[in-house]
Amino acid sequence: ILNVEQSPQSLHVQEGDSTNFTCSFPSSNFYALHWYRWETAKSPEALFVMTLNGDEKKKGRISATLNTKEGYSYLYIKGSQPEDSATYLCAFSSSNDYKLSFGAGTTVTVRA
Amino acid sequence: DGGITQSPKYLFRKEGQNVTLSCEQNLNHDAMYWYRQDPGQGLRLIYYSQIVNDFQKGDIAEGYSVSREKKESFPLTVTSAQKNPTAFYLCASTFLPSSLGIHQPQHFGDGTRLSIL
Repeated sequence: ILNVEQSPQSLHVQEGDSTNFTCSFPSSNFYALHWYRWETAKSPEALFVMTLNGDEKKKGRISATLNTKEGYSYLYIKGSQPEDSATYLCAFSSSNDYKLSFGAGTTVTVRA
Repeated sequence: DGGITQSPKYLFRKEGQNVTLSCEQNLNHDAMYWYRQDPGQGLRLIYYSQIVNDFQKGDIAEGYSVSREKKESFPLTVTSAQKNPTAFYLCASTFLPSSLGIHQPQHFGDGTRLSIL
């Protein structure tokens, strides 16, 4: 079982503020790093799939960076809105197979 | 609409009973996966299949069984050997990187919540 850790476990942010949180993963045998958003009562939705060291991806106000050499990725939310409230999952894929190892998630609550 | 359908949404199991969770996809995805979620933990892989009539154990396969007789379907049976089956179960599917040349995200169903009577 590959160790994928996310921090913090939860955070509260005021509407309009920006925030970021971390995913750390094994730096060896890297293949891909996924980010998903999981809203209450819905299914997880893919945000990004990142494969190259130094990759930066953006989707609206959400962006992510990737450092495969040191084994971490940051997810940023700019100008948080109530609809950004969700649990954000990261998942790591090694070069050996196409399985994903998931972190426990960071739960973001945006206060109006 | 293309997607993944899991049923039922809620399921109750009696002691000693086997129960089967359904997962169907019409996305023409190659690979399908079953995950289990417990409070405070990440999704843990139970079984996965990359091709019809073939499947592999994930990290927590004990007490579970699967089949992949059709590309669209990947049912999960929770057997009586699984002593702590109460959890939320998610099914996912994706194209394999070899199919499209790039790594694809997984698509998820809405989940099945299994409880013990």
